[in-house]
Amino acid sequence: QQQVKQSPQSLIVQKGGISIINCAYENTAFDYFPWYQQFPGKGPALLIAIRPDVSEKKEGRFTISFNKSAKQFSLHIMDSQPGDSATYFCAAGKNFGNEKLTFGTGTRLTIIP
Amino acid sequence: GAGVSQSPSNKVTEKGKDVELRCDPISGHTALYWYRQSLGQGLEFLIYFQGNSAPDKSGLPSDRFSAERTGGSVSTLTIQRTQQEDSAVYLCASSWSDTLYEQYFGPGTRLTVT
Repeated sequence: QQQVKQSPQSLIVQKGGISIINCAYENTAFDYFPWYQQFPGKGPALLIAIRPDVSEKKEGRFTISFNKSAKQFSLHIMDSQPGDSATYFCAAGKNFGNEKLTFGTGTRLTIIP
Repeated sequence: GAGVSQSPSNKVTEKGKDVELRCDPISGHTALYWYRQSLGQGLEFLIYFQGNSAPDKSGLPSDRFSAERTGGSVSTLTIQRTQQEDSAVYLCASSWSDTLYEQYFGPGTRLTVT
């Protein structure tokens, strides 16, 4: 009930291409869906987040698409750059009474020149 | 101001020993979280503090794990009688109470139990 499933486990994309990472959740009470970016040796950093009242949120080259009926959300990185090479985690949280985030297992993204 | 800091950055200990991991949250952040990150796994929630109290300890894997927070600031995660399966990166995060989900993470402590 609390799981968040993330795919793919690893992804290689050519510079300038679009990177797409997908997540699916089970708990319909989740109402906050952030994405975190983690570089080696660093803690995760919040990248972008969405709430289920919108289907898409865009910040620069990063876009979250959200499909409430399918219980899925995805991260799209446009014009991917070598500096985007990192591990990306999706997460889900429930407002009020359960503040912890449930994380996916991560996607290791490599952008090749 | 400074971000979340954690110490030590690396800890190697022998099986059966106790360890203490420290987290200094961002000044003014009232919420503090501990997570564990094992190789190839996502972040596993351990415990959440609001001020000095812990409303949610549901993620602590066994009674060998405990945590406290004093003065609404520094937190210590203690693992007693460490086991090899405790080897992981332990991450601390903090946030303002009114934006609980905007969690700011520290760099983590890499614990290796030999």
